[in-house]
Amino acid sequence: GDSVTQMEGPVTLSEEAFLTINCTYTATGYPSLFWYVQYPGEGLQLLLKATKADDKGSNKGFEATYRKETTSFHLEKGSVQVSDSAVYFCALDTGGFKTIFGAGTRLFVKA
Amino acid sequence: DVKVTQSSRYLVKRTGEKVFLECVQDMDHENMFWYRQDPGLGLRLIYFSYDVKMKEKGDIPEGYSVSREKKERFSLILESASTNQTSMYLCASSSSGFSGRFNTGELFFGEGSRLTVL
Repeated sequence: GDSVTQMEGPVTLSEEAFLTINCTYTATGYPSLFWYVQYPGEGLQLLLKATKADDKGSNKGFEATYRKETTSFHLEKGSVQVSDSAVYFCALDTGGFKTIFGAGTRLFVKA
Repeated sequence: DVKVTQSSRYLVKRTGEKVFLECVQDMDHENMFWYRQDPGLGLRLIYFSYDVKMKEKGDIPEGYSVSREKKERFSLILESASTNQTSMYLCASSSSGFSGRFNTGELFFGEGSRLTVL
């Protein structure tokens, strides 16, 4: 079945460091891919998405590129801030009603 | 500002009690979902609904039921709460878009309801 695997956390970085959170997927067909973010005490919100191969999603300095050949959608940011501390979820949607989520990666950014 | 609102942020219940979690969205979305979130497991789908009075089982429906009497409201019911249902419960909604029944992708989440069953 469809699945999403993302790197285990927590990830701890200093402010202005480079961030990568790895995400790979298994899916039949041509899924859309998403990154959601959950700030402390809040629900999830969409961070970025890509709907087809080679698309790049970007928002708030975060980027991820849909790589069909490696079935990956890694999240990157060039310079993290303390306010980026949150849990990040990679997800896929094959067009039905069941969005598949990864386990989540907690990011701590130290000042 | 568009919103998904969950009725209770924190609840503490006893084993065997009946629990209602309510969710309201103001975006006129066709689809609504209930997930539970547990550390290391991500989000798991309990039930979803694509229309009023319609419901479908997700991946972990056992011990839960749902009700959707109005388009904007989707309730999750635990008929007899058990300690293994202690969790964070997240409601979400989405639009079907022009293609009809299918989810166009983005989910809009409420802030969550943290349930503790003693």
